[in-house]
Amino acid sequence: KAGVTQTPRYLIKTRGQQVTLSCSPISGHRSVSWYQQTPGQGLQFLFEYFSETQRNKGNFPGRFSGRQFSNSRSEMNVSTLELGDSALYLCASSFGGEGDTQYFGPGTRLTVL
Amino acid sequence: EDQVTQSPEALRLQEGESSSLNCSYTVSGLRGLFWYRQDPGKGPEFLFTLYSAGEEKEKERLKATLTKKESFLHITAPKPEDSATYLCAVLDDWYNNNDMRFGAGTRLTVKP
Repeated sequence: KAGVTQTPRYLIKTRGQQVTLSCSPISGHRSVSWYQQTPGQGLQFLFEYFSETQRNKGNFPGRFSGRQFSNSRSEMNVSTLELGDSALYLCASSFGGEGDTQYFGPGTRLTVL
Repeated sequence: EDQVTQSPEALRLQEGESSSLNCSYTVSGLRGLFWYRQDPGKGPEFLFTLYSAGEEKEKERLKATLTKKESFLHITAPKPEDSATYLCAVLDDWYNNNDMRFGAGTRLTVKP
């Protein structure tokens, strides 16, 4: 069974640009959650999508947005990039039930110059 | 107030020297506690899920236990390949659905 895949694996952008990251969940999983990981803040929850609807959102500015498609694939967009957005962006998928285990992808390393 | 606190921050062991990592948590209602292993530059790899106090799970040299206030990850006779950062995370009744709260992790180094 294929795991969670994320593309691209690495990105370099400049301040003010926008970026779109993609996540394909494990087959059969309907929930996709996004996390930001930085050395200073650790792993922080961005948002979760379930059946094409945003079900939960963390404490991030509106520049961070996402969506989910009917095949459960998800995209995350960051607009007007700032230097502080440099991080490893991780997505995790699960069946979406209460307490279900989330399985992570390899992450997208975003560097903002 | 931190919900999830892991200790120690870093741990250096000799190969074969058993030890335990701690994860203490404060939640209104625990819906699940999760242990992950993360290698540098990679995504977290799932290890265990624990749901209720008294529950224990084992996998190779690792054993996870859960009480009402904390969880332990016991590592028996570790090998150098067990070197990684170990993360614990909780799902809290206070928050909706799948908003996992992570600890800062314990960075484990096992020397041959």
